[in-house]
Amino acid sequence: AQKITQTQPGMFVQEKEAVTLDCTYDTSDQSYGLFWYKQPSSGEMIFLIYQGSYDEQNATEGRYSLNFQKARKSANLVISASQLGDSAMYFCAMREGQGNNNDMRFGAGTRLTVKP
Amino acid sequence: KAGVTQTPRYLIKTRGQQVTLSCSPISGHRSVSWYQQTPGQGLQFLFEYFSETQRNKGNFPGRFSGRQFSNSRSEMNVSTLELGDSALYLCASSLGPGTTLRNTEAFFGQGTRLTVV
Repeated sequence: AQKITQTQPGMFVQEKEAVTLDCTYDTSDQSYGLFWYKQPSSGEMIFLIYQGSYDEQNATEGRYSLNFQKARKSANLVISASQLGDSAMYFCAMREGQGNNNDMRFGAGTRLTVKP
Repeated sequence: KAGVTQTPRYLIKTRGQQVTLSCSPISGHRSVSWYQQTPGQGLQFLFEYFSETQRNKGNFPGRFSGRQFSNSRSEMNVSTLELGDSALYLCASSLGPGTTLRNTEAFFGQGTRLTVV
């Protein structure tokens, strides 16, 4: 069964505006971690932000923040003040449990295009 | 601190051949995972190694195999290549189990782009 779902294959945003990329997940574990990665056209995966299932506050890293709604099992990425360099593929990922025997699984990704 | 290094960066092989890809993790990282990325299937998990042992395996045929050495470097092998094996193969390293989930962040290499003709 698909554990990570990203329902937006592509998104467009105007430069300097904010954009939300959706991610829902499925797990029966109480302990899990959610990660967002950015993949520019060069192919390298760049870590952006992490949210732990027990974290009470939504994670923030600079212009990136995570809208974490545990009951809904969603972890949407919010990018504020979009820049042209934000154009890339964005992947949501999850690792379940205590990280002892569980691999990191990725969603299908969302291609974000920032318009000037 | 050097990042994850994958070699080669690009590879062209013929159907039926076999190929070996290499991954050197970040120093101190003991876990290495491999992913196949294609436009149609996205990022698919192949397998994960820790301390020279395969801990997890994705849903790929037996033609896909891997191993990890005592220095944590890892190789993956694909035998009897098929056209559908053309993809970007990504390697990711992490600290491994026995740490907090936050520290299981995966650091990726730039990938090996394999083309099967």
